[in-house]
Amino acid sequence: QVTLKESGPALVKPTQTLTLTCTFSGFSLSTSTMRVSWIRQPPGKALEWLARIDWDDDKFYSTSLRTSLTISKDTSKNQVVLTMTNMDPVDTATYYCARSSGYDYFDYWGQGTLVTVSS
Amino acid sequence: SYELTQPLSVSVALGQTARITCGGNNIGSKNVHWYQQKPGQAPVLVIYRDSNRPSGIPERFSGSISGNTATLTISRAQAGDEADYYCQVWDSSTYVFGTGTKVTVL
Repeated sequence: QVTLKESGPALVKPTQTLTLTCTFSGFSLSTSTMRVSWIRQPPGKALEWLARIDWDDDKFYSTSLRTSLTISKDTSKNQVVLTMTNMDPVDTATYYCARSSGYDYFDYWGQGTLVTVSS
Repeated sequence: SYELTQPLSVSVALGQTARITCGGNNIGSKNVHWYQQKPGQAPVLVIYRDSNRPSGIPERFSGSISGNTATLTISRAQAGDEADYYCQVWDSSTYVFGTGTKVTVL
């Protein structure tokens, strides 16, 4: 059974760096074709993809946010970490991690974690 | 950057058919996927690669693509189908989501 769960601070101040962790089970990121992405959704708005890391450590980033994002993995802990620098109130959103396995769609999602950016 | 356009809202009478469109330049050359998102919940994949249903998704959900438009069709709509629906593609090494459509079952 595949599960993913996001964790991190619920509240961050403007200009701070956000660090989110996705802890997953039911698959391994050392297995060929496995990938984990981060996706966010501001309240009442559409989904926005942020970053992806692959089993072979390839990384992909949103064009508009690539300068502020870093994605990494710890295969031994079954975790993927996203850092986002210089947070702004417009970054207030629910942040999801999701798995894809060899194809360009997301077959499993975490429950999401709401991050509010406010002073 | 690539954009996917969806209608803001679609209304459908109970038991009737809802069609949700997703427009994008040359979308027929891409694989289109669809997600259902109910309030307060994570998205759920309902159609992958244009017209394939994951295990557990009712046959009432179907997908098609023609020209510059992909379409998600919900047949015999039920109250439980009320949700936001998003299309998604992979383009130029990034994932792109559509603007989202709110489906209301009357």
